[in-house]
Amino acid sequence: KAGVTQTPRYLIKTRGQQVTLSCSPISGHRSVSWYQQTPGQGLQFLFEYFSETQRNKGNFPGRFSGRQFSNSRSEMNVSTLELGDSALYLCASSHGHTQYFGPGTRLTVL
Amino acid sequence: TQLLEQSPQFLSIQEGENLTVYCNSSSVFSSLQWYRQEPGEGPVLLVTVVTGGEVKKLKRLTFQFGDARKDSSLHITAAQPGDTGLYLCAGAKGNQGGKLIFGQGTELSVKP
Repeated sequence: KAGVTQTPRYLIKTRGQQVTLSCSPISGHRSVSWYQQTPGQGLQFLFEYFSETQRNKGNFPGRFSGRQFSNSRSEMNVSTLELGDSALYLCASSHGHTQYFGPGTRLTVL
Repeated sequence: TQLLEQSPQFLSIQEGENLTVYCNSSSVFSSLQWYRQEPGEGPVLLVTVVTGGEVKKLKRLTFQFGDARKDSSLHITAAQPGDTGLYLCAGAKGNQGGKLIFGQGTELSVKP
């Protein structure tokens, strides 16, 4: 089976812009979770989608949003970008207890 | 509040040495996973443990889940330079398998 894929791999934006990141889960996985990884805070949970519904949400401002499509592919959107949003954004799909991560999208906000 | 305390944060050892990484919490987890991450890449799953007291072995790596399901350890025997990387423990609570709580990570460097 193909693994979790994320596009794009790298992105450079300026403050105030918005960005959309995409994630395709492993075939058959219905749950997709998003995480933000920074050197200072480590890996932090953003949200989880299951069957097109948000099932869990982390402690991030409303500028961070997501959605899931009927084919389980997911997108996350960050509006009004801030410098502190620079991070590696990771998507994971899960089956049972275990999550499998994609390679991530490196977002740099200038 | 960091729910999962991982130690040590940094470890630099010589090839052939043994090491143990610890992951501790005051909370009970329904499952705990260990990952290894290379720079600029996503975490790669090493193991999932779900039963208190469970021990799993993966070649030179031994994983243990505490009896009370609040802590875990990763032991590497005869470390090799290829073991270098960031090791992360992550726990899931109840039926929230899609929401992992991560430890801070252990940066391991194995010198030849």
